[in-house]
Amino acid sequence: GNSVTQMEGPVTLSEEAFLTINCTYTATGYPSLFWYVQYPGEGLQLLLKATKADDKGSNKGFEATYRKETTSFHLEKGSVQVSDSAVYFCALSDPVTGGGNKLTFGTGTQLKVEL
Amino acid sequence: EAGVTQFPSHSVIEKGQTVTLRCDPISGHDNLYWYRRVMGKEIKFLLHFVKESKQDESGMPNNRFLAERTGGTYSTLKVQPAELEDSGVYFCASSRSGGSSYNEQFFGPGTRLTVL
Repeated sequence: GNSVTQMEGPVTLSEEAFLTINCTYTATGYPSLFWYVQYPGEGLQLLLKATKADDKGSNKGFEATYRKETTSFHLEKGSVQVSDSAVYFCALSDPVTGGGNKLTFGTGTQLKVEL
Repeated sequence: EAGVTQFPSHSVIEKGQTVTLRCDPISGHDNLYWYRRVMGKEIKFLLHFVKESKQDESGMPNNRFLAERTGGTYSTLKVQPAELEDSGVYFCASSRSGGSSYNEQFFGPGTRLTVL
């Protein structure tokens, strides 16, 4: 079956530090890959996505590249802000094997950015 | 455009009681999904409606869980009787149908269920 593994948190960084959150996946088909973010008290929001190998998703200064050879989709940001503090979820959708675009999520990584 | 709403935001019940969670999707979204996050673990798929029909209920844990979507609008998820391991955050998401690419799922804020 499909699965997503992401680095354990919490991750605590100083403002303007570089962020990497690792994510690897297992899928039998050719999945689309996503990063979702959950800010305190809110629902999950799609942060970025990539639908095929070597695609780079980017949004709000975050980016992630779909690496088929390493089955990875690591999230990066060059300079984090306090407002980036949230829980980040890596996810995949495999319509061929999963059906109906249901999402398979990782465990989530809590990020705390301090001044 | 209003987002996905869920009610209640938090529910505390005792083991053996019944709880009903409600989700109102974005208007016009045919697809409605239920997910659950238990004790800080991964968010797991429960089921998927297309309009009023259950497209995929492979993630439903057992027959104590019953989901409905009468009329293809809002959905309810009933847990009866609730057990301790049902505690967690229940998320609802909705998306459009059609098109050849992935249709973004929009999530509600979740319902935190605590079973004592």
